[in-house]
Amino acid sequence: GAVVSQHPSRVICKSGTSVKIECRSLDFQATTMFWYRQFPKKSLMLMATSNEGSKATYEQGVEKDKFLINHASLTLSTLTVTSAHPEDSSFYICSASGTENYEQYFGPGTRLTVT
Amino acid sequence: KQEVTQIPAALSVPEGENLVLNCSFTDSAIYNLQWFRQDPGKGLTSLLLIQSSQREQTSGRLNASLDKSSGRSTLYIAASQPGDSATYLCAVLRTDSWGKLQFGAGTQVVVTP
Repeated sequence: GAVVSQHPSRVICKSGTSVKIECRSLDFQATTMFWYRQFPKKSLMLMATSNEGSKATYEQGVEKDKFLINHASLTLSTLTVTSAHPEDSSFYICSASGTENYEQYFGPGTRLTVT
Repeated sequence: KQEVTQIPAALSVPEGENLVLNCSFTDSAIYNLQWFRQDPGKGLTSLLLIQSSQREQTSGRLNASLDKSSGRSTLYIAASQPGDSATYLCAVLRTDSWGKLQFGAGTQVVVTP
């Protein structure tokens, strides 16, 4: 199956700093990438959808100036959490889709802890 | 608005028993339905994808059925093993959602040796 990687897998940062998370499709071209956030023992919450070369579409309630998403190529999307605060601590997961049946392939996730 | 519900929220069975996980959705206008597995602190692994025109999909010990008219899907795992312990999530793709999945809350499964 298709492989999606995320980097870093874990990151700890201080409040007020910015953190960038990378999502890569390793063996296919991802025309669309999705970013999710997952709270402990909860399901995934879609944050935004990004298409290569276009601005990301954010879900209601997600601050686009705080969660900057870039999808510069068909294999790479980045999520930057700007001016991070402890409440931004969470598990962030990306997925990529490039097939006709809209199947999504998920990355292993990034655990962000803001101190 | 599409709502996806998974029952039960948690399930514990002895090794060797068959697992039956349920997923229901309120809007039958779906493109496909996917079942995923998630281990603690990990990402999602796709198990099965059923297109809206299909009734079921099988992979090894896993079988997923889809009844679009009644808004239900069932994931069967035969002869469960301790390694099957994980959270299982179902997600539907609506025809008007531009690729966005709607997830259920998941069923946490524990298979005891």
